[in-house]
Amino acid sequence: EDQVTQSPEALRLQEGESSSLNCSYTVSGLRGLFWYRQDPGKGPEFLFTLYSAGEEKEKERLKATLTKKESFLHITAPKPEDSATYLCASRPNYGGSQGNLIFGKGTKLSVKP
Amino acid sequence: EAQVTQNPRYLITVTGKKLTVTCSQNMNHEYMSWYRQDPGLGLRQIYYSMNVEVTDKGDVPEGYKVSRKEKRNFPLILESPSPNQTSLYFCASSYYSNQPQHFGDGTRLSIL
Repeated sequence: EDQVTQSPEALRLQEGESSSLNCSYTVSGLRGLFWYRQDPGKGPEFLFTLYSAGEEKEKERLKATLTKKESFLHITAPKPEDSATYLCASRPNYGGSQGNLIFGKGTKLSVKP
Repeated sequence: EAQVTQNPRYLITVTGKKLTVTCSQNMNHEYMSWYRQDPGLGLRQIYYSMNVEVTDKGDVPEGYKVSRKEKRNFPLILESPSPNQTSLYFCASSYYSNQPQHFGDGTRLSIL
């Protein structure tokens, strides 16, 4: 069964304390791994797309990496405004069915000043 | 401004009373999708549409209908809502299915 599992469920950091969020996936031929950020009461906001193992993308304090089995979202020197729920999603290769997107349950990040 | 607009944002209704949640995007996107988000279960895909007149089931389609008669609109229809459909619903769109999606701000449905 295709699955996306995120860990930890929740993470509390002090401002400036770097860490990583994990997204492991078991899908039938990955055709895209997406990271989103979701603030309370809002829809998810796109951060990164990764398509192949070894690929890396960066944006400000965030860096996403991808291996054949998992993706990491590294947060360097986080600030309180980085507090949010981070979602990972994968798009499997189902042959004729091209539109499925499977989300993990998210990691809720809290950054204290 | 590029956006995905959902209406209503909040709705409280009763079991069995048909309702429609509208979704409209102004980005000329081909792909549109509906999700529901529940505590402990995360975001789950209900239906998606690869293009006009092309729709397909996601992971949790039971009790829902969709239609895609125009490119910009993708309404979600609950013909006979039940309390287990109480949830937060999101509509999303992208140029193609393998592109990042833009999400609306959500519709919170409570079915009594």
